[in-house]
Amino acid sequence: DSGVTQTPKHLITATGQRVTLRCSPRSGDLSVYWYQQSLDQGLQFLIQYYNGEERAKGNILERFSAQQFPDLHSELNLSSLELGDSALYFCASSAQEYFANIQYFGAGTRLSVL
Amino acid sequence: ELKVEQNPLFLSMQEGKNYTIYCNYSTTSDRLYWYRQDPGKSLESLFVLLSNGAVKQEGRLMASLDTKARLSTLHITAAVHDLSATYFCAVANTGNQFYFGTGTSLTVIP
Repeated sequence: DSGVTQTPKHLITATGQRVTLRCSPRSGDLSVYWYQQSLDQGLQFLIQYYNGEERAKGNILERFSAQQFPDLHSELNLSSLELGDSALYFCASSAQEYFANIQYFGAGTRLSVL
Repeated sequence: ELKVEQNPLFLSMQEGKNYTIYCNYSTTSDRLYWYRQDPGKSLESLFVLLSNGAVKQEGRLMASLDTKARLSTLHITAAVHDLSATYFCAVANTGNQFYFGTGTSLTVIP
């Protein structure tokens, strides 16, 4: 068990809808990262937050947004969903701000857009 | 955009043999990461390499980084079945954007 909790584990929704994925980092970790994994595009880094502030942004679509709350949990919001958004979404956490140390990954949320 | 290439994409090896997975990247970076993913599972961080010449070892796996050649290697020594998984390398650029390789699917045959 990595100590990173993601909910829900599975999500099935329809095109055009909006969903929220939740991530609770390991106790004491201040950084949260979001990743997308799909057969078409492989693994992609979406966004990183550190102690509530955005620190790095990757290939995150404008329809997607994220935030990190004062209790350090993070949410990834996906809106106007398309079939191509079907993927595994992972979050990870680490103690430090930059990618200098080991990241611990959650089990992932599998999103299916029908 | 930073490009990260791994080879081979698929690797089938016998138990007890040695092999190397290669990770090439396209622009300057001094931060290279290796991950393992078991089928249907999440990712596990293996190594973080932060400088030219960095070498890290854990069990039968050893990772190294040559920033001048823009190359990292993951060397497997005396493979065992438990090492069967997909291995990803990833590189961070100066803007802290993170790019993954395509992955190497390793199967260790008894």
